[in-house]
Amino acid sequence: QTVVTQEPSFSVSPGGTVTLTCGLSSGSVSTSYYPSWYQQTPGQAPRTLIYNTNSRSSGVPDRFSGSILGSRAALTITGAQAEDESNYYCALYFGTGIWMFGGGTKLTVL
Amino acid sequence: EVQLLESGGGSVQPGGSLRLSCAASGLTFSDFAMSWVRQAPGKGLEWVSIISARGPTYYADSVKGRFTISRDNSKNTVYLQMNSLRAEDTAVYYCTKEHRVDSQFYFDLWGQGTPVTVSS
Repeated sequence: QTVVTQEPSFSVSPGGTVTLTCGLSSGSVSTSYYPSWYQQTPGQAPRTLIYNTNSRSSGVPDRFSGSILGSRAALTITGAQAEDESNYYCALYFGTGIWMFGGGTKLTVL
Repeated sequence: EVQLLESGGGSVQPGGSLRLSCAASGLTFSDFAMSWVRQAPGKGLEWVSIISARGPTYYADSVKGRFTISRDNSKNTVYLQMNSLRAEDTAVYYCTKEHRVDSQFYFDLWGQGTPVTVSS
């Protein structure tokens, strides 16, 4: 049973840079999984941040960027702001209609 | 305005059934695959099911054989029929539109969610 893995939590100082990652319990994440990233604050619906590994969704600030780092997809926030404190989820497409989300990373900005 | 509006959530006893609906507006509904994603209390997002624009359906293993996704393009609505409900199906259920164009796959529109509670 494949599992999509993310760091459970991370903290960053205001103005700092943080990289969250998304991996597989077996194998490597590549662009073929079309990694996407979603931001969610408690009580709210998810918001799409990044798609197709490194494309920003409309209206997303350019301090958010996506990439592949080694065997994992990555979401980097450069110059973190207080409003970036949220839960972040990656999603991978496994083909034939099947999707899987990671467990999410709770990001604290302090 | 482009939006998705879920309805049909509520409380049900274990073993019971519930049908969720998601009405889309502001988009050409029949062109897009639609999906359901759920979030149990205090937990992460879990992909549940998807129905493509042309009708093929796919399910997460956790709901296969119990849930059925369908769509009515004349009503711009996607449904999730949930049978044999279990306590672990308790979650907020989000409707989401899949973007599947030019080799880009992601969820680009989300509803606000509808809560489902399975409890005796």
